[in-house]
Amino acid sequence: GEDVEQSLFLSVREGDSSVINCTYTDSSSTYLYWYKQEPGAGLQLLTYIFSNMDMKQDQRLTVLLNKKDKHLSLRIADTQTGDSAIYFCAEKKGYGGSQGNLIFGKGTKLSVKP
Amino acid sequence: GAVVSQHPSWVICKSGTSVKIECRSLDFQATTMFWYRQFPKQSLMLMATSNEGSKATYEQGVEKDKFLINHASLTLSTLTVTSAHPEDSSFYICSARYQDTQYFGPGTRLTVL
Repeated sequence: GEDVEQSLFLSVREGDSSVINCTYTDSSSTYLYWYKQEPGAGLQLLTYIFSNMDMKQDQRLTVLLNKKDKHLSLRIADTQTGDSAIYFCAEKKGYGGSQGNLIFGKGTKLSVKP
Repeated sequence: GAVVSQHPSWVICKSGTSVKIECRSLDFQATTMFWYRQFPKQSLMLMATSNEGSKATYEQGVEKDKFLINHASLTLSTLTVTSAHPEDSSFYICSARYQDTQYFGPGTRLTVL
C-alpha cells in the first residue's frame, strides 16, 4: 500500500519540545516532507529530507529519518503557541505511474498550551 | 521565492452553476501543477496533475468532465467545477512543482448552496 500514517493529535506546553512521528511504506521514496497548515490556510513547506540522509536540522526544527523502519519524525524545539497547527508528513513516490506525486498522511494536530 | 497564489480565496455559489479557481506560480515557471481537495479534518486528496500544454491526468474516481483543468501557460492552471452541487463543497488547494518540491497555494473554500 501507499499509506503514510501519523498520530492525529499532540498536545504540549509552551517551551517544551514537540515530536511528531510518521511512518511511510514506499521504500523507493526519494524525498520526505513536512508541511504546516494553519486554520483556513494552505500548506506551508517546513522542511524536507532526502532519503539518503539520517538527520536534518533547521533552526528549531530537526528531522530524523530511519529508512530501515520507514520512520520519519519532526522535532520542534522550544515550542511556541504560534506553532499550533496541523503538520503533514508526505512522501514523494519514487516509481510507477504516480512517480513524483506526494502521498500525504492525515496530519497531526499540534496544540500548544501556554 | 516559490510563491503560489489562488483566486478566489473563497466562493459561494448556487447549485448548478460553474465555478473557476485559478492557481498561479508568481515567481517561477511550473510545467506541472497539482489540484487537491481537502475534506474537514482529513488529509489532502490528489484530484489531478496538470501539465502545461497537455491534458491533465486525473486520479481514479475523479470525474474529468466535472472538474475541468486547463494549464494554458507555465504560470497558470485553472480548475472549473462544473454544475456544482452541495457535495462539491470543500477546500481546494493547488500546488506547483519547482525544483523537485511542491509549493502550495493558500486554498479556495468553495461552498455550494
